[in-house]
Amino acid sequence: AQKVTQAQTEISVVEKEDVTLDCVYETRDTTYYLFWYKQPPSGELVFLIRRNSFDEQNEISGRYSWNFQKSTSSFNFTITASQVVDSAVYFCALSEATETSGSRLTFGEGTQLTVNP
Amino acid sequence: GAVVSQHPSRVICKSGTSVKIECRSLDFQATTMFWYRQFPKKSLMLMATSNEGSKATYEQGVEKDKFLINHASLTLSTLTVTSAHPEDSSFYICSARHLSGNTIYFGEGSWLTVV
Repeated sequence: AQKVTQAQTEISVVEKEDVTLDCVYETRDTTYYLFWYKQPPSGELVFLIRRNSFDEQNEISGRYSWNFQKSTSSFNFTITASQVVDSAVYFCALSEATETSGSRLTFGEGTQLTVNP
Repeated sequence: GAVVSQHPSRVICKSGTSVKIECRSLDFQATTMFWYRQFPKKSLMLMATSNEGSKATYEQGVEKDKFLINHASLTLSTLTVTSAHPEDSSFYICSARHLSGNTIYFGEGSWLTVV
């Protein structure tokens, strides 16, 4: 069975601080995908990143960066110089990568990030 | 712009009635769509996998007779909540898997309130 754990339920920072959101996952699959989504108060899910289990390179996109460590089954997300607009719930998710599975997503519980001015 | 559209975005219905939520992939074909449910301040829970032209596959604990899913075309899946009760009030969100690969697009979600 797959499981995604986001131990941080809520995080509150002051604008311009860096913040890291933790994600730990469990899966028996050797091939899988990891995702991060942002959910603002309006409810829609905003796709941030997808990472293949074979690609352990860290990725940076503007103020966002992701640290994938297969050895510790972690896929952490860092926001540098946070802004008020970053306030949202962030979900880490895991997907099998087999055709038959259809890429069903298992979500973590989410981390509510509040960036205060 | 959105590539997966849900309608309605918000709906209020009376207990005992049925309500239908549509999920459309706007500019791509999706043989597989997924329906999730999200309670306030909670995670998204997969309800069912909707396959075009065949029966949906429901997750354990989800009543298939209560949550009817129809995937009649490559661009449309519908979720019908039958005989709705206040405890069915929730945020329902769909996703669609692009035929070309493993890209998954989410709809904007639908808020259902049963009174």
